[in-house]
Amino acid sequence: DQQVKQNSPSLSVQEGRISILNCDYTNSMFDYFLWYKKYPAEGPTFLISISSIKDKNEDGRFTVFLNKSAKHLSLHIVPSQPGDSAVYFCAATHPLLGGSARQLTFGSGTQLTVLP
Amino acid sequence: EPEVTQTPSHQVTQMGQEVILRCVPISNHLYFYWYRQILGQKVEFLVSFYNNEISEKSEIFDDQFSVERPDGSNFTLKIRSTKLEDSAMYFCASSARAGTISYEQYFGPGTRLTVT
Repeated sequence: DQQVKQNSPSLSVQEGRISILNCDYTNSMFDYFLWYKKYPAEGPTFLISISSIKDKNEDGRFTVFLNKSAKHLSLHIVPSQPGDSAVYFCAATHPLLGGSARQLTFGSGTQLTVLP
Repeated sequence: EPEVTQTPSHQVTQMGQEVILRCVPISNHLYFYWYRQILGQKVEFLVSFYNNEISEKSEIFDDQFSVERPDGSNFTLKIRSTKLEDSAMYFCASSARAGTISYEQYFGPGTRLTVT
């Protein structure tokens, strides 16, 4: 099941520069997308989300872009900081998954390393 | 800030034994979930729970699994007879206060289950 794909297992970026993490999806029913950050031995931490009716959502240093025609979303982190080093997961959900309690479908994650 | 808690952090059990993983969701959330992540693999949905009943379950969630909300705060996952392939990180999550439409799920730190 590859409905949500993160094709880059790892990304290294210099501190202060932009980090761009990418995610592709195949299921056109997905209407809500989320990014999570995960440190080792911890649970995923919610970062930012976007509804399919929007193409951009911004929260501080984090911006998520959604290109529905390409079935692609990206997370931009500007400026990147060493504390941002973690695994980043994109996730998606759609109305038919679980009714009111929607399940999330996760990508495989991208390990971001921000170099000082 | 309210958070999801899980106990124990690490559980070691022998094959065929029953285990109960415990979670305390965020207190005013309505929807509860269990996910698991086998080492090196994606985070996978197991089950969602709302209004004291299962909303949806994945094909992983077979008859060996059950969930319960025994009181107003705890949410448990029971595996009746553990198998080696049940070894994974198990994450509990919760979402959505009453009167809101929110698909962001907040995860606990996880329980590492090791079946020997």
